[in-house]
Amino acid sequence: QVQLQESGPGLVKPSETLSLTCAVSGYSISSGYYWGWIRQPPGKGLEWIGSIYHSGSTYYNPSLKSRVTISVDTSKNQFSLKLSSVTAADTAVYYCARHLGYGGNPYYFDYWGQGTLVTVSS
Amino acid sequence: DIVMTQSPDSLAVSLGERATINCKSSQSVLYSSNNKNYLAWYQQKPGQPPKLLIYWASTRESGVPDRFSGSGSGTDFTLTISSLQAEDVAVYYCQQYYSTPPGFGQGTRLEIK
Repeated sequence: QVQLQESGPGLVKPSETLSLTCAVSGYSISSGYYWGWIRQPPGKGLEWIGSIYHSGSTYYNPSLKSRVTISVDTSKNQFSLKLSSVTAADTAVYYCARHLGYGGNPYYFDYWGQGTLVTVSS
Repeated sequence: DIVMTQSPDSLAVSLGERATINCKSSQSVLYSSNNKNYLAWYQQKPGQPPKLLIYWASTRESGVPDRFSGSGSGTDFTLTISSLQAEDVAVYYCQQYYSTPPGFGQGTRLEIK
């Protein structure tokens, strides 16, 4: 059974960098699939942030591309998200998820983490 | 970006009755070369992550009850729950994956009447 678990600070100050990690169990990241981040502001809808292929290739939402970095550590079977220069608008539940894709275009997300709430506030 | 619009925003249905949720994309998500619609449906219960129900517009994910079905093509899609159960109370989202960035509808809240 594939399981994903997000971890990281729940509170980040404005203008700082949000950093989250997603630990994967039950499946080796090196075996394939894409691994992505999606966020959901409180009471609102879902927004894809970006994804990384097991090879290390990255794909970002153009609306966030200038502030996002996603990396993978296959030795630890985990991948990470960094979002810089955060504001209150970045307050959201952040999910990590697995998905298929083609040519960098994400398909549907079949396994999700439970999500972690990150609040941006001084 | 392809914009996904769901209707209605909320819906109340009696137990055992049919529930229908609509999703419309701003452009076709049907890929002509393989005749597949790049459209998925998710269920999200309070405090939980979204759960994949349907992909390729009509393929049910493993373990999803057969009362859930997806239909439609091109720009207009429907998620149908044939006989509503209490555990189906949730917010439902459609998602297109025809082009980047993949986009989600605003969600439809389903409640018991």
